[in-house]
Amino acid sequence: GAVVSQHPSWVICKSGTSVKIECRSLDFQATTMFWYRQFPKQSLMLMATSNEGSKATYEQGVEKDKFLINHASLTLSTLTVTSAHPEDSSFYICSAGPGGSPLHFGNGTRLTVT
Amino acid sequence: SQELEQSPQSLIVQEGKNLTINCTSSKTLYGLYWYKQKYGEGLIFLMMLQKGGEEKSHEKITAKLDEKKQQSSLHITASQPSHAGIYLCGADTYNTDKLIFGTGTRLQVFP
Repeated sequence: GAVVSQHPSWVICKSGTSVKIECRSLDFQATTMFWYRQFPKQSLMLMATSNEGSKATYEQGVEKDKFLINHASLTLSTLTVTSAHPEDSSFYICSAGPGGSPLHFGNGTRLTVT
Repeated sequence: SQELEQSPQSLIVQEGKNLTINCTSSKTLYGLYWYKQKYGEGLIFLMMLQKGGEEKSHEKITAKLDEKKQQSSLHITASQPSHAGIYLCGADTYNTDKLIFGTGTRLQVFP
């Protein structure tokens, strides 16, 4: 079945550095991928829609210069958290599905900024 | 999100008991997705509903979407410890494939 792979599973970085998270669709092409953020014991909040070959669409309140999204191929989208700070520590998770439907989620990336 | 309410927030049941989780939208649903999550892990897709009155089942889990397409329920029959986790409903309310999620229901099943 369709699988979405996310890497890394967890990352610890120092404040001020940047971190890149990858989201890959393994057996289907994804023209659209979605990035979510989840705080402890809370639900998922959509951050942005990643569009292959064009600019990402960000949700209200999400800083596009802070969370850079690149969707350079039909199977890969990346989220880069730039100049990370402790408040950026969170669980980031992507989703994608055949035909653009958001059916499958990656296993998530737990980011800890020290 | 106020657009999507999920209840109950937590549920503790004895093994073998049935249970129901509800998801209510203030807007018409173009698609309603049910997922299961273990804390700190990814989401496991359970079912997707799109048509009013639609009902789907997989093993001991049944999901329904009402005729008005604003409310969905997830029913687990004869619950088992393996059913424990966080159940999330995700709704497409703008027909754009973007999902908003309910607050989740934390299910615990004790022997």
